[in-house]
Amino acid sequence: DAGVIQSPRHEVTEMGQEVTLRCKPISGHNSLFWYRQTMMRGLELLIYFNNNVPIDDSGMPEDRFSAKMPNASFSTLKIQPSEPRDSAVYFCASSQTRGSEKLFFGSGTQLSVL
Amino acid sequence: AQTVTQSQPEMSVQEAETVTLSCTYDTSENNYYLFWYKQPPSRQMILVIRQEAYKQQNATENRFSVNFQKAAKSFSLKISDSQLGDTAMYFCAFMKQKGAQKLVFGQGTRLTINP
Repeated sequence: DAGVIQSPRHEVTEMGQEVTLRCKPISGHNSLFWYRQTMMRGLELLIYFNNNVPIDDSGMPEDRFSAKMPNASFSTLKIQPSEPRDSAVYFCASSQTRGSEKLFFGSGTQLSVL
Repeated sequence: AQTVTQSQPEMSVQEAETVTLSCTYDTSENNYYLFWYKQPPSRQMILVIRQEAYKQQNATENRFSVNFQKAAKSFSLKISDSQLGDTAMYFCAFMKQKGAQKLVFGQGTRLTINP
């Protein structure tokens, strides 16, 4: 299995632009998570999907952030408009439903908003 | 709410030495899971070891072992015969047994293995 696949690996954009991050979970996994990592706040959970349905989005910082999971093999995290304080590494992770409490992480997207 | 605390921002040891990373957590839950994740410079988050709170036996994975003290809410990671490839950030994490599989992470410990 290729693992959790995220794209792009790096994204540099200007303030005010729309940014879309992509994630393909491991086949057969039905839970998907978006995390953000910054020096100041560490790793924070942004949103969690189960069977393609958003279960908990309490970590989404503002309305500028939105996430979708149109099918079991694809999810996006969108920031519109982007701001410099959104600069961070964004991780996607997936897992099977209860029975295997192991989250498998992608390689992350390094986002820089200038 | 659960919190995870790693009190050692940085540690450094010589190759082949044994090193212990500390982690404490706060929860009112009785059943939960604890994890150690490794993040090397490649940025990938790699699961090192997992402990189920209802198990008294400490988890072991090759050179990695934990000291789980449930009453003290302590979960330390011991790395034996450390190798240069162990150089990384190490994160302690907590997950409730019931409900969403949400990981709560500590701030991390930067471990450097010197040749």
